[in-house]
Amino acid sequence: DAKTTQPNSMESNEEEPVHLPCNHSTISGTDYIHWYRQLPSQGPEYVIHGLTSNVNNRMASLAIAEDRKSSTLILHRATLRDAAVYYCILSWQGAQKLVFGQGTRLTINP
Amino acid sequence: DVKVTQSSRYLVKRTGEKVFLECVQDMDHENMFWYRQDPGLGLRLIYFSYDVKMKEKGDIPEGYSVSREKKERFSLILESASTNQTSMYLCATGAGGRSGELFFGEGSRLTVL
Repeated sequence: DAKTTQPNSMESNEEEPVHLPCNHSTISGTDYIHWYRQLPSQGPEYVIHGLTSNVNNRMASLAIAEDRKSSTLILHRATLRDAAVYYCILSWQGAQKLVFGQGTRLTINP
Repeated sequence: DVKVTQSSRYLVKRTGEKVFLECVQDMDHENMFWYRQDPGLGLRLIYFSYDVKMKEKGDIPEGYSVSREKKERFSLILESASTNQTSMYLCATGAGGRSGELFFGEGSRLTVL
């Protein structure tokens, strides 16, 4: 499984945009990029996924570098409820066997 | 809304006991997964299943077995519980194909004394 590298923690302020980086230099052409987040005392929840093009949904945007060796999850306007651990995961051809890393713990300051 | 229900939120068992953790989903999903989550180790995949009566080992299958007799139900079995199996267990389901979304249950916190 290709590996991802994320910062252990990040901090941001409420109502500001947040950019969560992920490096995946060994990504293969068929690997999808997934983002999940885990709020305290809950199971992980899906945020967004993509292959090559940037993606937007109601929760976030995913910006994928042209060489696909990195990606950025963008929360456009952070709220206190966005405080969570965010996981960046690669999966082969979109298969759902996901291998979670340590993720980035995001703290949102009021 | 997809519902993934895990049978027990909290369990306390003794070393050597047989433990069943059940996961039921109501969305007719093909894929089901069992993870455990431990501080500092993150989520690790134990077993998964892409179809009824089918199972595949994940990254840490030792000490566990699974059963998928019906599409909606995926059971994790600890034949003889040990203290190092004290953990949070999370079940997940997904529709398969190129859909990226997995749905997780709330988790079952197991303590083995």
